Amino acid sequence: KAGVTQTPRYLIKTRGQQVTLSCSPISGHRSVSWYQQTPGQGLQFLFEYFSETQRNKGNFPGRFSGRQFSNSRSEMNVSTLELGDSALYLCASSATGDDGNTIYFGEGSWLTVV
Amino acid sequence: QQQVKQSPQSLIVQKGGISIINCAYENTAFDYFPWYQQFPGKGPALLIAIRPDVSEKKEGRFTISFNKSAKQFSLHIMDSQPGDSATYFCAAPYSGTYKYIFGTGTRLKVLA
Repeated sequence: KAGVTQTPRYLIKTRGQQVTLSCSPISGHRSVSWYQQTPGQGLQFLFEYFSETQRNKGNFPGRFSGRQFSNSRSEMNVSTLELGDSALYLCASSATGDDGNTIYFGEGSWLTVV
Repeated sequence: QQQVKQSPQSLIVQKGGISIINCAYENTAFDYFPWYQQFPGKGPALLIAIRPDVSEKKEGRFTISFNKSAKQFSLHIMDSQPGDSATYFCAAPYSGTYKYIFGTGTRLKVLA
């Protein structure tokens, strides 16, 4: 069974640009969540989607957005990039996202903003 | 306040020794506590997890113990190996929030 797939793996963007990251969950998983990982802040929750609906959102500015498609694939977008957005963006999938569901991470997308 | 406190921040252990990492959670959390292992350049991978019906779970050299009254859980790595050198994260899901709160991570180095 294929794991969580994230693309692209690495990217460099300039301040002010926008970026879209993609995530394909494990087959059969309908919940997709996104986390930002930085050395200083650790793993921070961005948002979670289930059946194309955002069920929760973390404490990030509105520049961070996401969506989920009918096939459970998900994308996240960051607009007007800032230097501080440089991070590893991790996508995780679980069967339903409900309490006690294990989440499985992808390898992440490394974003560098210059 | 949804927070998971993890300690120590870093740990150096001799090969064959025992590595112990502790986590404490606050407020309401669903009783399911996974540990993730992350190697440089990789995403976190599920290592082992414990559910509320047991106070201890062992898988090979890895053991989780859970103390519900103290709101604490810990990871023990027995016979630590250089290949165990990685960053370890504990996590706790918060009921009805569809998210996990992660500890700040422990960087483990096992000396050969």
